[in-house]
This record gives sequence, structure tokens and C-alpha cells, in this order.
Amino acid sequence: QVQLQESGPGLVKPSETLSLTCTVSGGSVSSGSYYWSWIRQPPGKGLEWIGYIYYSGSTNYNPSLKSRVTISVDTSKNQFSLKLSSVTAADTAVYYCARQLIHYSSSSPDAFDIWGQGTMVTVSS
Amino acid sequence: QSVLTQPPSVSAAPGQKVTISCSGSSSNIGNNYVSWYQQLPGTAPKLLIYDNNKRPSGIPDRFSGSKSGTSATLGITGLQTGDEADYYCGTWDSSLSAFWVFGGGTKLTVL
Repeated sequence: QVQLQESGPGLVKPSETLSLTCTVSGGSVSSGSYYWSWIRQPPGKGLEWIGYIYYSGSTNYNPSLKSRVTISVDTSKNQFSLKLSSVTAADTAVYYCARQLIHYSSSSPDAFDIWGQGTMVTVSS
Repeated sequence: QSVLTQPPSVSAAPGQKVTISCSGSSSNIGNNYVSWYQQLPGTAPKLLIYDNNKRPSGIPDRFSGSKSGTSATLGITGLQTGDEADYYCGTWDSSLSAFWVFGGGTKLTVL
């Protein structure tokens, strides 16, 4: 079965760049049937979609974060990654990677069917 | 505030039925498929419903979804204490800046 695992620093200083990687096991990021997404959840708050990447490298980002976000994919390592620049305390959150279905008829992004366990990232000096 | 509106909390007794609403607009719920997620305390969200009313394998039929116009509803019957969790709706928003949106979440308390 497909599993996703996030990895990266748990503490990032303000104004620096947050970098996380999601490793996919039991499946392939090169599958054309899915988008590979990042989602975050600040402590005690709701879910916020950050963006997704397709195996071809095409991306789509949340407009509110677009200027600071870069998502990339490494098919040779079966991984995809998140970079969020110029972080502040407001970026403190649990960061999840997730597999996102592509609707078979509309080709629109669909539900997130597999999630990583999440990794807590704190922004503090 | 979230693009999709959910009640902050709902409650019901064990064995009873509860519904959770998710209200949006024509650019999101009105023209796209809705999914629902359950987040137990301290865990990652789990997909409960996709494409408005479909259940992934392993999700009991106590959970159901529906959509009408620009609103969607999650229904849970035969409530169990283990259903106590946060529930989120989500869908694609195909406005000019197309992006995925979640509701603010609903805390279900099983009394």
C-alpha cells in the first residue's frame, strides 16, 4: 500500500526558508493519475492547502502563499518537496503531504486519499 | 475566514444521527466535487467521502454525503464515541485563481 512520509527540520528561524520532503513508498510519483500536495494546519486551527505538483513538474499554488512557495518533484528518488521562503511565526504548523486524486471525467483536482503522518514545523529564533 | 462555511461544532448522543453542513458558492461546491475528512485528535485527516457521496473502501456506510446546489452535507448515523473528531469539507474552487479550499472544520462531540 502507498505510504507518504514527511521529513525536514522541525525548527526554522524567521525570514529563512522552510524545506520539507515527502517520500512516497509503495507507489510512484510518476503516476499520471495523481497530484502530489502539501497541506498545513496551524496549532488549534483548520487545514490550509499549500499547493500541488504533477509528475511532469506542473504546479498549482494557493494564491495566498504563491509568492513564497515552490514545490518540486524528484522522480528518481520518488519524492516531492516543499520550500516556503521568508517564514514568520504565522507559518508555524503541522505540514502534511498528501496524494490527490484527479477526477476521471473533469480532470479537476479531487480528494486527498492518502496522507502522511504530518511533521510539526516551528518558526522561532 | 474559510471559503467554505461549516458550523464550528455539533453534538449528539451515541446511537443518534448527526449532519454537518458545508456551504460555498458556484465557483466551488456548485460546480465541483466535494470530499469530507475525519481528523481524530493528534492524527492526520482521513478521507471519508469523495465525489460528493462515494465512500472509499473500508469506510462504513454509517457515513454518507450529499450535495445540493452550493451546499454539501455529511451524515453520520449510529454515532459512536470513536466518531468524536474534527470533520472538514473540501473542494476545488475554479475561480480565476483556481485553488483547493477547505471548510473551517466542525468539532463533533458524542455526548
